[in-house]
Amino acid sequence: GQQLNQSPQSMFIQEGEDVSMNCTSSSIFNTWLWYKQDPGEGPVLLIALYKAGELTSNGRLTAQFGITRKDSFLNISASIPSDVGIYFCAGGIGGSQGNLIFGKGTKLSVKP
Amino acid sequence: GAVVSQHPSWVICKSGTSVKIECRSLDFQATTMFWYRQFPKQSLMLMATSNEGSKATYEQGVEKDKFLINHASLTLSTLTVTSAHPEDSSFYICSAIEGTDTQYFGPGTRLTVL
Repeated sequence: GQQLNQSPQSMFIQEGEDVSMNCTSSSIFNTWLWYKQDPGEGPVLLIALYKAGELTSNGRLTAQFGITRKDSFLNISASIPSDVGIYFCAGGIGGSQGNLIFGKGTKLSVKP
Repeated sequence: GAVVSQHPSWVICKSGTSVKIECRSLDFQATTMFWYRQFPKQSLMLMATSNEGSKATYEQGVEKDKFLINHASLTLSTLTVTSAHPEDSSFYICSAIEGTDTQYFGPGTRLTVL
């Protein structure tokens, strides 16, 4: 079946640093979405991408839908403590966001 | 954005009992809702697609007789875990598609089966 490879699995951030994570797949997706999940809560949509090559920002977050439609990245600029959490990419198959395939997540923690 | 609620937020039950989890879209109508489960430190796994007024579509490996889904209205879908066992303990999350094809998630329900 379709799988998403999300990396890195985890990373430590220091306040003010920029953060980058990405998802790749051998399959083509029609939509790419990025979610953040805090412990014990449901995922919250950060950015939705619907078109190959699309670059979209949401505050300090920027995400791009790869030209090949097989990858996407998420950048967080000038990280702050509340950015900690687990970030998931999700690829949408078909024409809508139904049937999302999720990556395994990237856990952001504060550097000790 | 649109709001999706789940009830209860957590539940503890004895092995062999059934548990019902509700998923509601609070400020929009959702013809399609999804049910996921998530084990600790793992990603979300789609269990089934719930369509208002019709039967749910289950993913491969998910027992439809064990995980009963009812989508009786445009704002409510329910997941009933029948004859629950400890291995059914998990975090169950629903989502609903708002008119613009944006999928919004509920806050999740933590099920613990003793």
